Amino acid sequence: GIQVEQSPPDLILQEGANSTLRCNFSDSVNNLQWFHQNPWGQLINLFYIPSGTKQNGRLSATTVATERYSLLYISSSQTTDSGVYFCAVEWPASKLTFGTGTRLQVTL
Amino acid sequence: DTEVTQTPKHLVMGMTNKKSLKCEQHMGHRAMYWYKQKAKKPPELMFVYSYEKLSINESVPSRFSPECPNSSLLNLHLHALQPEDSALYLCASSQTMGATDTQYFGPGTRLTVL
Repeated sequence: GIQVEQSPPDLILQEGANSTLRCNFSDSVNNLQWFHQNPWGQLINLFYIPSGTKQNGRLSATTVATERYSLLYISSSQTTDSGVYFCAVEWPASKLTFGTGTRLQVTL
Repeated sequence: DTEVTQTPKHLVMGMTNKKSLKCEQHMGHRAMYWYKQKAKKPPELMFVYSYEKLSINESVPSRFSPECPNSSLLNLHLHALQPEDSALYLCASSQTMGATDTQYFGPGTRLTVL
């Protein structure tokens, strides 16, 4: 099956810092999504980004499908950004396969 | 309204109990999903319903029995579970089946099997 690896696995930031999270996938995929899971377990869809770049406030994402990776940028981090960030790819068809996750802690 | 609700929030059950998890959405979505998430692991797909019909069963043991009584409601019936079934159970919905549609997740049910 497809391998979806995220790095780093854990990240601790001070409030206000910037960070880049990476998602590598081992096969061609139809699309890619980024999710944030807060400390209480709620999963929120951040981006649907099969290719190209999108921005939403302090977050932006870039997917280079031909090179099989995606990046999530977080700028001016806040404590509410803490949680686990997952990328998820459509593989096989009609199914989301989640990556290994990056656990982010933002401290004051 | 982009909300998916799940009840109960927490559930503790013995291996001989029968219990049910409930998921509801009022967004007019025609696809609904059950995922299982073990601690410190990513969610894993269990079942997908499309237009109230079971479309995908990811080889889930029969002690988990899904049901979709109508387009807004999804249940997961539990019977004779094992301690290793303890996990966070997440429900999601999307406009149609297929990962190209944004999936909206509920807050989950934390299940502990004693």
